[in-house]
Amino acid sequence: DTGVSQNPRHKITKRGQNVTFRCDPISEHNRLYWYRQTLGQGPEFLTYFQNEAQLEKSRLLSDRFSAERPKGSFSTLEIQRTEQGDSAMYLCASSTDTGYTFGSGTRLTVV
Amino acid sequence: QQQVKQSPQSLIVQKGGISIINCAYENTAFDYFPWYQQFPGKGPALLIAIRPDVSEKKEGRFTISFNKSAKQFSLHIMDSQPGDSATYFCAAGLDRGSTLGRLYFGRGTQLTVWP
Repeated sequence: DTGVSQNPRHKITKRGQNVTFRCDPISEHNRLYWYRQTLGQGPEFLTYFQNEAQLEKSRLLSDRFSAERPKGSFSTLEIQRTEQGDSAMYLCASSTDTGYTFGSGTRLTVV
Repeated sequence: QQQVKQSPQSLIVQKGGISIINCAYENTAFDYFPWYQQFPGKGPALLIAIRPDVSEKKEGRFTISFNKSAKQFSLHIMDSQPGDSATYFCAAGLDRGSTLGRLYFGRGTQLTVWP
């Protein structure tokens, strides 16, 4: 598989629960990005990594959100104490100098 | 402040026609301008991208026109086909020595091509 893989594809959770998403980038890509997309909007930047270093975080990434890339390969995005406003598609991408490759996303629904 | 503004929000074009989507950006430091195509349930896929050293780039039926002084760029889809029906996003960002940072996306254009 040469694409960006995200798991799970769908997640339904109750408000207040914690959730964790996983992203496996294209193996030779050293940059990995997380974006959030709500219905009818473009992707909004959350954070990105170069290898294991987290280089930038958006102000959208509240204290309830944390992302890691422990060995510079896969990454996880955790949301603690989920709120209904967290319902969105969470997109992961990896890149070379020619551009991003996005995964198919994880759709989170908070009920 | 929205860094990238995209229009129109939706577009209906007859098969064989030309689809034109426009974007404007704020930050003059931006030096990388990609367009993405997104189908329902899928992540965005890179369609074509331009850097400001050229005013136009063409790949198959897709062309980007770039106007640095006006801080605008547009996507032209020639000979539009029903399979082109999707949501299109423009974006802008910094290409720091060939390593891409964050991208700022427009709000998208829903294109429908009818037979």
